[in-house]
Amino acid sequence: GEDVEQSLFLSVREGDSSVINCTYTDSSSTYLYWYKQEPGAGLQLLTYIFSNMDMKQDQRLTVLLNKKDKHLSLRIADTQTGDSAIYFCAESIEAGANNLFFGTGTRLTVIP
Amino acid sequence: GAVVSQHPSRVICKSGTSVKIECRSLDFQATTMFWYRQFPKQSLMLMATSNEGSKATYEQGVEKDKFLINHASLTLSTLTVTSAHPEDSSFYICSATLRVGTGTNEQFFGPGTRLTVL
Repeated sequence: GEDVEQSLFLSVREGDSSVINCTYTDSSSTYLYWYKQEPGAGLQLLTYIFSNMDMKQDQRLTVLLNKKDKHLSLRIADTQTGDSAIYFCAESIEAGANNLFFGTGTRLTVIP
Repeated sequence: GAVVSQHPSRVICKSGTSVKIECRSLDFQATTMFWYRQFPKQSLMLMATSNEGSKATYEQGVEKDKFLINHASLTLSTLTVTSAHPEDSSFYICSATLRVGTGTNEQFFGPGTRLTVL
């Protein structure tokens, strides 16, 4: 089955850049997503990328996709304390498919 | 934006009782709703996919008689954990989608329900 992996923890200083990494195993992944989960809350979609793209930038967020290595990353520029949360990558393996397969989540802690 | 609510946010129950969790799409009609379970330090696991007016589709390993799902309307889906046991304690999250089969298929997530079974 699909396997999506992330490191569990990341700490950065306020103002620095954060890079959260994700690897996946299914080469047929079509859409790859980044979600943010704040304490006690549901998941909020931050951004997504199609598998035929290498990069997508949205304000402070930059997503890089290396399809050959099945590696996805999320870079948060000028990280703020409000960015502290758990970040999940997720994939769907078919265009328009409903099923999302999630990574384990990376807990980002921003140190003032 | 699309908002999904869940009720209750927290519930504590005794072993052997049943617990119902509601998931509502507040400002849109959801043709499909999903139920996930999240264990500490683990990813979300899809439990079932629920389409309005039809039976839910359960993922492998999820007992349909244990986790009853009813999607009675385009804005409400319920998950009932029957005869709950301590191992059912978890964080349950629902999501809803506007369209099926095309586009990015964005799912809008509820805030989750933390179930503790004593």
